[in-house]
Amino acid sequence: DTAVSQTPKYLVTQMGNDKSIKCEQNLGHDTMYWYKQDSKKFLKIMFSYNNKELIINETVPNRFSPKSPDKAHLNLHINSLELGDSAVYFCASSQVSGLAGRNEQFFGPGTRLTVL
Amino acid sequence: AQKVTQAQTEISVVEKEDVTLDCVYETRDTTYYLFWYKQPPSGELVFLIRRNSFDEQNEISGRYSWNFQKSTSSFNFTITASQVVDSAVYFCALSEAIGGTSYGKLTFGQGTILTVHP
Repeated sequence: DTAVSQTPKYLVTQMGNDKSIKCEQNLGHDTMYWYKQDSKKFLKIMFSYNNKELIINETVPNRFSPKSPDKAHLNLHINSLELGDSAVYFCASSQVSGLAGRNEQFFGPGTRLTVL
Repeated sequence: AQKVTQAQTEISVVEKEDVTLDCVYETRDTTYYLFWYKQPPSGELVFLIRRNSFDEQNEISGRYSWNFQKSTSSFNFTITASQVVDSAVYFCALSEAIGGTSYGKLTFGQGTILTVHP
């Protein structure tokens, strides 16, 4: 019944490794997002997909590559992890288009990534 | 560019006190949305309210109330009779209107850490 789910919840890995975070929403929304929350709690948009199409890419290093296999899923793959990638990554979804568009974003529980 | 400022980094109150969290925003859009989210110690982000720029009516939900003033670009949040369970980080956020090019991306303020002591 979880609206927006992310796996894993915790991810601890070594520098230089490649890792993925998965996100799924069962709300039928047309738009999904990835946000990064740094150690000072600041939240910043990274990517947004609308109907599987990349809409927003906010000056994120090329090592980060989102993939949306369908409207309900938005995964985040990170290559060559660096210490500075340590953060909490939140997935979110919202209904932006159409008469039902209301724009509230519902967030997943977050994935705490620690790079050693 | 959009910007949200929450000038209060941390607020500490004693239970049953009223507390107001300030939020000031900047945008060139004439139509936009404002939000408040709560992040309790468990870490999830909980949606509290969404307000359209063309609706300046204040809203009350239980102990929570929101004061939207377009003239001062502010969207303040008041908790009445605070409780320990209100302890959390509170974020104010802004997005442009639906149909814009940003597809509803949220621009967040820095957050206000609220601690309610028993």
